[in-house]
Amino acid sequence: DAKTTQPPSMDCAEGRAANLPCNHSTISGNEYVYWYRQIHSQGPQYIIHGLKNNETNEMASLIITEDRKSSTLILPHATLRDTAVYYCIVRVAGNNRKLIWGLGTSLAVNP
Amino acid sequence: EAQVTQNPRYLITVTGKKLTVTCSQNMNHEYMSWYRQDPGLGLRQIYYSMNVEVTDKGDVPEGYKVSRKEKRNFPLILESPSPNQTSLYFCASSSERREQYFGPGTRLTVT
Repeated sequence: DAKTTQPPSMDCAEGRAANLPCNHSTISGNEYVYWYRQIHSQGPQYIIHGLKNNETNEMASLIITEDRKSSTLILPHATLRDTAVYYCIVRVAGNNRKLIWGLGTSLAVNP
Repeated sequence: EAQVTQNPRYLITVTGKKLTVTCSQNMNHEYMSWYRQDPGLGLRQIYYSMNVEVTDKGDVPEGYKVSRKEKRNFPLILESPSPNQTSLYFCASSSERREQYFGPGTRLTVT
């Protein structure tokens, strides 16, 4: 599985959009981009995933560049409850073997 | 409610005393994994299972055992715990091609 690079920390004002970048320059054609978040020391929570098209669900939007070497997770209206560590990982669909999680981005949403 | 449960949630034990952390999921998922999370190292996979009686090592399997006798259960066994196994442990499950669901975590301290 390809490795990802994320900034260690970011800040965002409450009510504003939070844009979290992820670099995955070695991604293969059959690898999906997945985003999870972890609040305090709770179990990570799935947010969204995509292959090459942009995706949106009730939690967030995922923008993947045309060359698929990077992506951005967008929380459109961040709230204090969105303060968490956000992880971007890439994996082949159906393959949970040896996923590389990295340290993620610690997002602080400020009032 | 779809969920992954882990027990115990907190455990303090002594070096060498065998222990088992249980994990159970009610979603009929084929895939299950165990992770440990340590400060500065992120989530690292210990073992994973693709189905009943099918298990394989992750990145950090030394000192751990697993079994998958039933689809819903995937216990993590520490035959002779040592202080370097003090960590936060997560169990996760998923069906093929879908996201992982994580348990609430087990905080283990080995003295």
